[in-house]
Amino acid sequence: DVKVTQSSRYLVKRTGEKVFLECVQDMDHENMFWYRQDPGLGLRLIYFSYDVKMKEKGDIPEGYSVSREKKERFSLILESASTNQTSMYLCASSWSETQYFGPGTRLLVL
Amino acid sequence: AQSVTQPDIHITVSEGASLELRCNYSYGATPYLFWYVQSPGQGLQLLLKYFSGDTLVQGIKGFEAEFKRSQSSFNLRKPSVHWSDAAEYFCAVGALGGGADGLTFGKGTHLIIQP
Repeated sequence: DVKVTQSSRYLVKRTGEKVFLECVQDMDHENMFWYRQDPGLGLRLIYFSYDVKMKEKGDIPEGYSVSREKKERFSLILESASTNQTSMYLCASSWSETQYFGPGTRLLVL
Repeated sequence: AQSVTQPDIHITVSEGASLELRCNYSYGATPYLFWYVQSPGQGLQLLLKYFSGDTLVQGIKGFEAEFKRSQSSFNLRKPSVHWSDAAEYFCAVGALGGGADGLTFGKGTHLIIQP
């Protein structure tokens, strides 16, 4: 079974803080993704990566950056958290078209 | 650009009744189609997927979906729902050969099960 884990289930941060969300997959997948999920908006792609040290912008990259130093780990970084980044963040991985998701991190920015 | 429409934001079904969740997609090439389910506070779990071949695909938990190219639809069905099926359901489309790209998701349908 594919296992995608995310470092935190719940996170509370203050405006202006730098926030790191970590995602690890154990299936040697090439591709990894970060989405945010908001009520009424569904899932929106923030960034994805198809290889180590490679990254591509998704639909809503503003205010975020990513890091992929190792194949199994993909980090989402909020350089200076803002209240409009309060959301559910979902990580996924794939080696083909099928994506497998982690449990999500619910981030609250005060 | 690809897009997915789930016309129903909420659906209420009685336990034991049949279910159909609608999904329409827009994509210029051959799509890959998916249904995911999300229980409260959880990540997304893959229910089923369509890549090619038989247009009726079977998934986990007794779900099935039918791909209709002429209608650009990929509706999800279940003959008899259980209370544990209450969740959010997402339809998604991906590009053939575009495994490295993200999927495009619909906004979801919230399924409520009445006793």
